[in-house]
Amino acid sequence: SYELTQPPSVSVSPGQTARITCSGDALPKQYAYWYQQKPGQAPVLVIYKDSERPSGIPERFSGSSSGTTVTLTISGVQAEDEADYYCQSADSSGTYFVVFGGGTKLTVL
Amino acid sequence: QVQLVQSGAEVKKPGSSVKVSCKASGGTFSSYTISWVRQAPGQGLEWMGRIIPILGIANYAQKFQGRVTITADKSTSTAYMELSSLRSEDTAVYYCATAIVADDAFDIWGQGTMVTVSS
Repeated sequence: SYELTQPPSVSVSPGQTARITCSGDALPKQYAYWYQQKPGQAPVLVIYKDSERPSGIPERFSGSSSGTTVTLTISGVQAEDEADYYCQSADSSGTYFVVFGGGTKLTVL
Repeated sequence: QVQLVQSGAEVKKPGSSVKVSCKASGGTFSSYTISWVRQAPGQGLEWMGRIIPILGIANYAQKFQGRVTITADKSTSTAYMELSSLRSEDTAVYYCATAIVADDAFDIWGQGTMVTVSS
């Protein structure tokens, strides 16, 4: 098992760019996934395999990877993007397991 | 379009067990895995385990080994998560989820089931 570390909070003004990082030693070898969760709702997948965007997710959401850090970038942040964001990875090299980061609260000022 | 519908809220006593169901529709149940993820009030997401229905094989997070059992009934396209020896710290929303767009990418989620453990 291993850990994924996220900053607890990020704040941006509307129209600016938000960047949320996720760090973990296994990330160079494993894909990362990102979820958006609003209060009282189930999580929604916004990025998979580091940088792929599911259908229906706005183009302002993008993902990137560099070494042990992956980054979720939200360009032109809108008020509706205020939510908790979680990174996730999985390891099937031995006994399969999934790990989530602790979550980042994105506040749109 | 795959959909997951979970059973309703539960209130349990400490030391008892709870069994939550997750019924799938709109796809071929045996062709994907079902994971269970929980979220305590005000806390983050925590993966508990998964099942591969076509093989009947389950994997569990180390934290829950010995206390959780995940099963699947292919005839009804329903997955189950049973958690035993409940304690107050198990109070949480329990979600089932599956990965359709890519392995390990949970793009379909159930609506969540609130389990409250209280004496």
